[in-house]
Amino acid sequence: DSGVTQTPKHLITATGQRVTLRCSPRSGDLSVYWYQQSLDQGLQFLIQYYNGEERAKGNILERFSAQQFPDLHSELNLSSLELGDSALYFCASSERGVYTDTQYFGPGTRLTVL
Amino acid sequence: EDQVTQSPEALRLQEGESSSLNCSYTVSGLRGLFWYRQDPGKGPEFLFTLYSAGEEKEKERLKATLTKKESFLHITAPKPEDSATYLCAVQAASGGSYIPTFGRGTSLIVHP
Repeated sequence: DSGVTQTPKHLITATGQRVTLRCSPRSGDLSVYWYQQSLDQGLQFLIQYYNGEERAKGNILERFSAQQFPDLHSELNLSSLELGDSALYFCASSERGVYTDTQYFGPGTRLTVL
Repeated sequence: EDQVTQSPEALRLQEGESSSLNCSYTVSGLRGLFWYRQDPGKGPEFLFTLYSAGEEKEKERLKATLTKKESFLHITAPKPEDSATYLCAVQAASGGSYIPTFGRGTSLIVHP
């Protein structure tokens, strides 16, 4: 158990809908990262937050947005969902959000778009 | 564009049969290379971080090494419980921030 929690574990929805994925980092970690993992793309970095502020941005679609709240939990919002958005979404956390940090991954949310 | 290539894509070993997984990378401003283990349907689990060419790290049956262009994960006398997908990632500087790039992974199956 990494100490990172993600909810929900599974999510099934329809095209065009909007969903919110939630992540709680390990106690004491200030940085949160979001990743998407699909069979054809592998693990792709989406976005990083540190203490409420966006720190790095990867291949995140404009339909996707994220934020980190004062209590340090984070939410990833996915809107206008398409079939291709079906994937595993992982959250990771680290202590300081610097490149030397070890990232600890949560168990993931499996999103299925029908 | 930063690239990370892992080989082989899949590897089947007999218990006790040692082997190596390869991770080759093309990045500018490398700040670290990471190895993770991922079991099916679970999040990646951190194994090692390597920062500079020549560095080596060991943990139980695993040993990671780093050169200027690639990293190897050596598995000595593997056991069935070592079966998993092994992911390599690099952290490189990009416009003042650090973007992690993952390889597609090597799926390892160790037969008893």
